[in-house]
Amino acid sequence: NAGVTQTPKFRVLKTGQSMTLLCAQDMNHEYMYWYRQDPGMGLRLIHYSVGEGTTAKGEVPDGYNVSRLKKQNFLLGLESAAPSQTSVYFCASSQPGLALPLAREQFFGPGTRLTVL
Amino acid sequence: KNEVEQSPQNLTAQEGEFITINCSYSVGISALHWLQQHPGGGIVSLFMLSSGKKKHGRLIATINIQEKHSSLHITASHPRDSAVYICAPSGGGADGLTFGKGTHLIIQP
Repeated sequence: NAGVTQTPKFRVLKTGQSMTLLCAQDMNHEYMYWYRQDPGMGLRLIHYSVGEGTTAKGEVPDGYNVSRLKKQNFLLGLESAAPSQTSVYFCASSQPGLALPLAREQFFGPGTRLTVL
Repeated sequence: KNEVEQSPQNLTAQEGEFITINCSYSVGISALHWLQQHPGGGIVSLFMLSSGKKKHGRLIATINIQEKHSSLHITASHPRDSAVYICAPSGGGADGLTFGKGTHLIIQP
């Protein structure tokens, strides 16, 4: 099993360009997440999904859109990239628990390092 | 919003030492995760616990839900334990985790 994979690993964009980050998991997990990690700050939740066809906003959703058309894939889009979106992006997935806590441990992808000039 | 404080922020120790990393949070939770981020950037889940204590090899995690506090201990530390350790409380729902800023641990031979 590959676990959680992310494409691409690195990308440099110019301000105003668009791009899509792809996250794929082969563990049949229901829940998927996009986080960003910036120096001196903890990971922050951008968007998440609790199942195919569903998405919800996290702590820092502005400037990003997401889609979950297939259970195994979670896409993160930047329509018009800004330098403030320079960050390392992590995707994660987990399976719902049967009782509290409702979510189990999260499995993380290797990250995508994005630079916006 | 859950405020998460980890201490220390940075820790350098000698091989073999007993290591303790602390995590405090402000809002009641259902579970707390401890994660390890390797120097190469990958993040691995170490523990998820909602009460008491868990042990995996040389790693021990404890939590006191009433006091809103958790600790991660490493016994017989080794240079390969050098990493950033991140505490992440969870309200128990599907809406992700709240992360501490991490403790940067260096174990010197």
